[in-house]
Amino acid sequence: DVKVTQSSRYLVKRTGEKVFLECVQDMDHENMFWYRQDPGLGLRLIYFSYDVKMKEKGDIPEGYSVSREKKERFSLILESASTNQTSMYLCASSANTEAFFGQGTRLTVV
Amino acid sequence: GENVEQHPSTLSVQEGDSAVIKCTYSDSASNYFPWYKQELGKRPQLIIDIRSNVGEKKDQRIAVTLNKTAKHFSLHITETQPEDSAVYFCAASHRGGGADGLTFGKGTHLIIQP
Repeated sequence: DVKVTQSSRYLVKRTGEKVFLECVQDMDHENMFWYRQDPGLGLRLIYFSYDVKMKEKGDIPEGYSVSREKKERFSLILESASTNQTSMYLCASSANTEAFFGQGTRLTVV
Repeated sequence: GENVEQHPSTLSVQEGDSAVIKCTYSDSASNYFPWYKQELGKRPQLIIDIRSNVGEKKDQRIAVTLNKTAKHFSLHITETQPEDSAVYFCAASHRGGGADGLTFGKGTHLIIQP
C-alpha cells in the first residue's frame, strides 16, 4: 500500500510566522504535489515537483514556496503566514497515473 | 492552463437510483481524466479513471464516459447505496496524471437519501 504521510493533522500558527508542512511518501514516486482544499473551491494546485530539487508553480503559488531535497520528502513553506492561508493542505504523490493523497493538514492562521 | 468545470455542486438521490455528475475541460491536450471520492474527514481516493483513447469505462456500479469532441466527461453511479455519500471530484491532466499534476473540478456533494 502506498503511504503518503503528512507531519501534522492540525496546526495553529500566528500571522507572520514561517510555517513548514512536511510530506513523506514511501513508494519511490517521482512526482509530488501540494494542494489546498477550500469549501466550494475544490482542490487547487500550489506547487509540484517531478524530481529531486525540481519544482514548478501550480495555479496558486503566491505566498508559498517548496523544497524537495530528497525524493521521498516534499515540504511546503509559508514564508509569512497570513489569515487567508487558513485552509486544508493536501500532499500527493504519483508515478504516472493515480495520485495518492496524504491525510491532510488543517492549518489555522490567527 | 486547464480549467475544469463540474456540475452539480450538490446532488441528492434516493437510494437505489442512479447519479450522474458532469465535467467539462478546456485544454484539448488533456488526455487523462480521473474521478476521486472523498468521504467526510478522509483523504481523496481514486475510484475510476479514463484516458482519451477510450470513450467509456465501467467498474461494477461505476462508469465514466468521455466525449473528446465536446470536451466533457461524466461519472455514472447506478443502484446507489448509503456508502456512496461523499464528495466527488473530477480532474484532468495532459501528462497522463503524473508530472504536471491534476486540475480538479470544485466537487459534487452526493447525498443518498434512504
